[in-house]
Amino acid sequence: EPEVTQTPSHQVTQMGQEVILRCVPISNHLYFYWYRQILGQKVEFLVSFYNNEISEKSEIFDDQFSVERPDGSNFTLKIRSTKLEDSAMYFCASRLQVKEQYFGPGTRLTVT
Amino acid sequence: AQTVTQSQPEMSVQEAETVTLSCTYDTSENNYYLFWYKQPPSRQMILVIRQEAYKQQNATENRFSVNFQKAAKSFSLKISDSQLGDTAMYFCAFMTLGNSGTYKYIFGTGTRLKVLA
Repeated sequence: EPEVTQTPSHQVTQMGQEVILRCVPISNHLYFYWYRQILGQKVEFLVSFYNNEISEKSEIFDDQFSVERPDGSNFTLKIRSTKLEDSAMYFCASRLQVKEQYFGPGTRLTVT
Repeated sequence: AQTVTQSQPEMSVQEAETVTLSCTYDTSENNYYLFWYKQPPSRQMILVIRQEAYKQQNATENRFSVNFQKAAKSFSLKISDSQLGDTAMYFCAFMTLGNSGTYKYIFGTGTRLKVLA
């Protein structure tokens, strides 16, 4: 069964560094999402992406964040200058139709 | 703004027993989807069950069923014959059209379920 994959599974970075989190959505899916879950808290929507552009972003998704689909298969989330409060689990999701989103296994980002 | 509320932070149930997790939501939309996701210690988000708001019949998936009360904006999950592998965090999610038809999810705060042997 096709699945969403994410790399790396765990990323440790120093404050102020740039990180890129990678996702490979299910191949025929058209809509892509990033969500964030700070440890012990609920999952929060960051951004949605369709037709090579952002369709919606939350207030969390400020100028430090960007997304890209560079090659038709990968979907990346970049954080330009990481802060301690960016430490969280980041989930990528994709969907084809108006039904459920399929989530990847997540990337745990630790900012020290 | 849409909100999802899970009022039970933690619950426990004996193996083979039945447990119900509650979820309420607030929306002015008429067409939407509701979901329950399971998050085991691995933190992978696993879809448990889905309910379309336009369907009056409650969704069921094997041991999992929902009680969807649209007028009351309530969407509870019933787990029958609980198994140790059901131990996980359970999130209720509402799928909204969003500002641009994005169909983003809004999650509740989760209920941590522990199944006891």
